[in-house]
Amino acid sequence: GQQVMQIPQYQHVQEGEDFTTYCNSSTTLSNIQWYKQRPGGHPVFLIQLVKSGEVKKQKRLTFQFGEAKKNSSLHITATQTTDVGTYFCVDSGGSNYKLTFGKGTLLTVNP
Amino acid sequence: DAGVIQSPRHEVTEMGQEVTLRCKPISGHNSLFWYRQTMMRGLELLIYFNNNVPIDDSGMPEDRFSAKMPNASFSTLKIQPSEPRDSAVYFCASSPDTGGGTDTQYFGPGTRLTVL
Repeated sequence: GQQVMQIPQYQHVQEGEDFTTYCNSSTTLSNIQWYKQRPGGHPVFLIQLVKSGEVKKQKRLTFQFGEAKKNSSLHITATQTTDVGTYFCVDSGGSNYKLTFGKGTLLTVNP
Repeated sequence: DAGVIQSPRHEVTEMGQEVTLRCKPISGHNSLFWYRQTMMRGLELLIYFNNNVPIDDSGMPEDRFSAKMPNASFSTLKIQPSEPRDSAVYFCASSPDTGGGTDTQYFGPGTRLTVL
């Protein structure tokens, strides 16, 4: 897979505020996977998006795949301190194994 | 399931020494990956094994790095001789390789390597 551009690189919020991170690609993506890495931890798989316009929810997390499959977003409603970490979107298409991780978005939450 | 197991969790060594990192993938997973993570370069894929065979080692930095997978339940990443710029967190990951597209990768806790 190709490396996907992700913004912002850093985001600091007050607990209770919403948070969104965006991924963009210049070419059409096959699939997008999202991972979360807590400080000092390891990447943990969150979700995979496959279909154009797909929206998936996990409690306070909402994942979207753009209609053109060139962008994706992760939105967290009412952030909590447990949401702290780096969120990576990863292009998981093009082969059946290669994930190319970008820089991710580091989220910090002020209690 | 115990998840991916890596050892040691921390390693501090001196420049020039040999370092061996170990990984036990999740039982039944056919694919194994070694990654390196640094602040500057992020998370980089070093090598990928499928059914114990190295498929893609294009990410291995140089000849000082070597990786083996003698059986389905064990892999090693060796650095000889080690250099300070090798200091990083090394992750091992495995995936089930269901053949239905790109599989979820399950990461181990990592080995934090410091080369003095």
